Amino acid sequence: DTGVSQNPRHKITKRGQNVTFRCDPISEHNRLYWYRQTLGQGPEFLTYFQNEAQLEKSRLLSDRFSAERPKGSFSTLEIQRTEQGDSAMYLCASFVQIYGYTFGSGTRLTVV
Amino acid sequence: QKEVEQDPGPLSVPEGAIVSLNCTYSNSAFQYFMWYRQYSRKGPELLMYTYSSGNKEDGRFTAQVDKSSKYISLFIRDSQPSDSATYLCAIRETNAGKSTFGDGTTLTVKP
Repeated sequence: DTGVSQNPRHKITKRGQNVTFRCDPISEHNRLYWYRQTLGQGPEFLTYFQNEAQLEKSRLLSDRFSAERPKGSFSTLEIQRTEQGDSAMYLCASFVQIYGYTFGSGTRLTVV
Repeated sequence: QKEVEQDPGPLSVPEGAIVSLNCTYSNSAFQYFMWYRQYSRKGPELLMYTYSSGNKEDGRFTAQVDKSSKYISLFIRDSQPSDSATYLCAIRETNAGKSTFGDGTTLTVKP
């Protein structure tokens, strides 16, 4: 496993529906991050895990967002009752102190 | 005011030019400095990672950090069309989990 895998690559959903994204990080990296990026902006921090523990969650993240990382392996990000403002690229990254972030290719969410 | 401000661009240069990309930051607690390259519809890719003032060189890329001025730069020598991408700076506090990213500078290198 040489990289971070994210699925699906693209998700189109109707407003009000729930969506779930999956991230498979680099196996030996114990930190996993979720960021959100909109067009013309840099990635914005959402939350991160150290193994299975969720250590920080952005104050900007509404309670419609939830993330899990069972057993410290893959992670899921769920958005409930999607809104058009949720349309963005959702990026997952593994992190190791000496190497920084290794990002996946992202999941592009379009809410119609 | 954002914690990290990045020169917005876009920037267009001829092939072979030296490119300078810049960010400023406001929080003196920031200690780790990163530069990422992002191609369209892809995730960011780490280019440079440093945690001290001064210069760090890797091939055609040089990262420069001036903590006294809270200013970081990325220099690209002998720029190539394949360098055309958006460049993001990212900065992190020593003990913080998250990093703060600039909004990116889009670079186009024309053959």
